[in-house]
Amino acid sequence: KNQVEQSPQSLIILEGKNCTLQCNYTVSPFSNLRWYKQDTGRGPVSLTIMTFSENTKSNGRYTATLDADTKQSSLHITASQLSDSASYICVVSGWSGGSYIPTFGRGTSLIVHP
Amino acid sequence: NAGVTQTPKFQVLKTGQSMTLQCAQDMNHEYMSWYRQDPGMGLRLIHYSVGAGITDQGEVPNGYNVSRSTTEDFPLRLLSAAPSQTSVYFCASSYSTPHSRGSYEQYFGPGTRLTVT
Repeated sequence: KNQVEQSPQSLIILEGKNCTLQCNYTVSPFSNLRWYKQDTGRGPVSLTIMTFSENTKSNGRYTATLDADTKQSSLHITASQLSDSASYICVVSGWSGGSYIPTFGRGTSLIVHP
Repeated sequence: NAGVTQTPKFQVLKTGQSMTLQCAQDMNHEYMSWYRQDPGMGLRLIHYSVGAGITDQGEVPNGYNVSRSTTEDFPLRLLSAAPSQTSVYFCASSYSTPHSRGSYEQYFGPGTRLTVT
């Protein structure tokens, strides 16, 4: 069964500090991996998209890495801001049962304190 | 552009009632999908559509119906609501299927919070 595991479940950091969120997956065959940011009470917003041939992708202070061999991805946030407080969701898509299907992680809840 | 819009924002139903969650997008996207988000779980795909007149089931389709008569609209119908359908529902759209080897951006609506008593 396809699975996406994210760690840590929650994280508290001080404003200005860096942090790294982890995503391990068992989805196979793999088509792409996405990271989303979801603010409380809002829909997810795309941060990065990586296909199997890409191993790093940046979006401002957000940098995602992908190791398709070990089936691991990370999202690094640089110089955190209060507005980074949100849930970060890893989504891995793959071919299953005749169609492309996404498998969502449960998310990492990040709180940035002043 | 309004992007992806969903109505209503909140809804309370009694067991057995029916209702339709509305979703519309103004980006001329072919691919639209519905997800549910439950506490402690990742989002799960309910139904999706790759274009007007074409729909297919996702991971958790039971208890839900969809249709796609226009490119813009993709309503989700609950025929007989059950407490297990209490959840937050998100509609999303993208230019083409976001889950293949392409890199199509997927845009989510603000969600509908549904409670079934």
